Amino acid sequence: EAGVTQFPSHSVIEKGQTVTLRCDPISGHDNLYWYRRVMGKEIKFLLHFVKESKQDESGMPNNRFLAERTGGTYSTLKVQPAELEDSGVYFCASSQLTSGRTDTQYFGPGTRLTVL
Amino acid sequence: AQSVSQHNHHVILSEAASLELGCNYSYGGTVNLFWYVQYPGQHLQLLLKYFSGDPLVKGIKGFEAEFIKSKFSFNLRKPSVQWSDTAEYFCAVMDTGRRALTFGSGTRLQVQP
Repeated sequence: EAGVTQFPSHSVIEKGQTVTLRCDPISGHDNLYWYRRVMGKEIKFLLHFVKESKQDESGMPNNRFLAERTGGTYSTLKVQPAELEDSGVYFCASSQLTSGRTDTQYFGPGTRLTVL
Repeated sequence: AQSVSQHNHHVILSEAASLELGCNYSYGGTVNLFWYVQYPGQHLQLLLKYFSGDPLVKGIKGFEAEFIKSKFSFNLRKPSVQWSDTAEYFCAVMDTGRRALTFGSGTRLQVQP
């Protein structure tokens, strides 16, 4: 079974440009999460999709970040325009939809974003 | 908001030494607890998890963790580390009201042969 995949693995852009990150969850996983780790600090939650719906977007830093999950499969995270402080590693995770709260999140390899 | 503290940022051990990494969380309600590991060049992998039941949880590769509710702690242990355990270790908490994980800042473990 394929794991969570993310594309690209690295992205280097200039301040003010736009970048789109993609995440493909494990097949059959309805929960999809985005996290970010900035400059060696802790990994922080950005948002949570259940299928195509945003369940929790309390961690999104500002309106320069837009996440979508059309059709409830893969997800994209767009940063527009990018700022220097957006540099970091963006992780995607997925889990099965369960009625309880005991799901385990499986992480992708991350996308390392560098904004110059 | 809940928080997770990992007391050791960088730990250096010799092979066969015992390991204990501390993790404390702030949330007072019902929580699910996790330890993840990131080996060099690899993605985050789940080491072990606690949802309920026996507070002593065994995970992969000989790791275990003990949930002590009264101390809000979930420390990770391994009796004898190997060079291949060199990695960064993350403690994470999920409160049962939402599914977002709150992570600690991570502990870099370096095992010297």
